[in-house]
Amino acid sequence: DPVMTQSPPSLPVTLGQPASISCRSSQSLVHADGNTYLGWVQLRPGQSPRRLIYQVSIRDSGVPDRFSGSGSGTDFTLEISGVEAEDVGVYYCMQGVQWPLTFGGGTRVEI
Amino acid sequence: QVQLVESGGGVVQPGKSLRLSCEASAFSLSSHNMHWVRQAPGKGLEWVALTTYDGSNQYYADSVKGRFTISRDNSKNMVYLQMNSLRAEDTALYYCGRDFWGGPDYWGRGTLVTVSS
Repeated sequence: DPVMTQSPPSLPVTLGQPASISCRSSQSLVHADGNTYLGWVQLRPGQSPRRLIYQVSIRDSGVPDRFSGSGSGTDFTLEISGVEAEDVGVYYCMQGVQWPLTFGGGTRVEI
Repeated sequence: QVQLVESGGGVVQPGKSLRLSCEASAFSLSSHNMHWVRQAPGKGLEWVALTTYDGSNQYYADSVKGRFTISRDNSKNMVYLQMNSLRAEDTALYYCGRDFWGGPDYWGRGTLVTVSS
């Protein structure tokens, strides 16, 4: 099973400034169909988890364009172009190239 | 608006059983694989199980294989998780999620399961 490693575990940010989270997989997340199944999930206090990004860089419906994803193969990044107060929470990368799905350990974003 | 609402959580003794339910609305349940994912207190996310869109196949995490059973009733817009032989380490907030391109896109608010004597 792919092991997902995120860094940093905690990310202090300044409102309006950019932020970046890294995720590395122990094996390639490229599926036989040619797609790369790497996503990012946001957990905000008191709210349902929400997926922000799928297939590395595609934003889910309603996700603000300040969130962007990039990477390939085994190395991926989630970027927030200008952090807003509502972005506080824990972010997880998630691989879906094979079952079981596996998640990174999480990155806590705090102001 | 896609909505998933979990229910059935509670406090249960080790070795006992519990059945979780997930009610889906505002989308065609029969078109989607469905997941259960859990989060233990102070821990990260852990995938638990998946049922394919038509209920023909199920997949489980090794930690629950043989004890948990995922099922669905598309006619009732429901997904279930039967949990038997519960252990203290099964204590968690359990989420159901709709699969879309490699993982859950929509998630419910979760239902809390506490296994304690």
